[in-house]
Amino acid sequence: GAGVSQSPRYKVAKRGQDVALRCDPISGHVSLFWYQQALGQGPEFLTYFQNEAQLDKSGLPSDRFFAERPEGSVSTLKIQRTQQEDSAVYLCASTSGPPLYYEQYFGPGTRLTVT
Amino acid sequence: AQRVTQPEKLLSVFKGAPVELKCNYSYSGSPELFWYVQYSRQRLQLLLRHISRESIKGFTADLNKGETSFHLKKPFAQEEDSAMYYCALSHMNRDDKIIFGKGTRLHILP
Repeated sequence: GAGVSQSPRYKVAKRGQDVALRCDPISGHVSLFWYQQALGQGPEFLTYFQNEAQLDKSGLPSDRFFAERPEGSVSTLKIQRTQQEDSAVYLCASTSGPPLYYEQYFGPGTRLTVT
Repeated sequence: AQRVTQPEKLLSVFKGAPVELKCNYSYSGSPELFWYVQYSRQRLQLLLRHISRESIKGFTADLNKGETSFHLKKPFAQEEDSAMYYCALSHMNRDDKIIFGKGTRLHILP
């Protein structure tokens, strides 16, 4: 079946612009995670949804970052007034249960470049 | 503080030689440990997890709680093993985020 998809795959934004990144998880997956991966670093946790509930947003770096999953499936990560330090690959992952027993399936990522 | 440390950014190994990718962790509680792999132009995927005690593509990893390590090993490297490897941990009993190390690029030399 189809895996996790993300769009756009690449986004170039001028500093100060708002961007919206979309994640389509695997159908039926309850949990959805967003990670930020800067160049040369490992993925870093941003936020987590269980169905439509955002249970953990401790990793969001500032109030310019906002995520939603209104119907418990597709999720959108929005970054307002982008800054150069926001340049990174944004990864989405979905799973049907706790990572202890269920694999987190990752999307291909959206590479955001802020100029 | 919860942290995963991979001391090597790049590891070059000849084909057929043994491979060991180092991983140390810091966690207050009972973590579950994972290794993720990203091959060129592919997405990040799970290689193995400690709880499964399985060997995937010839790789194994042993959890050493005394040394807080979870090194990844393979006795004979193959060219297709060239990839980026990330050690990671999660809380044992919660539906929770995964904390990743910075990764080690494994380059298998012919």
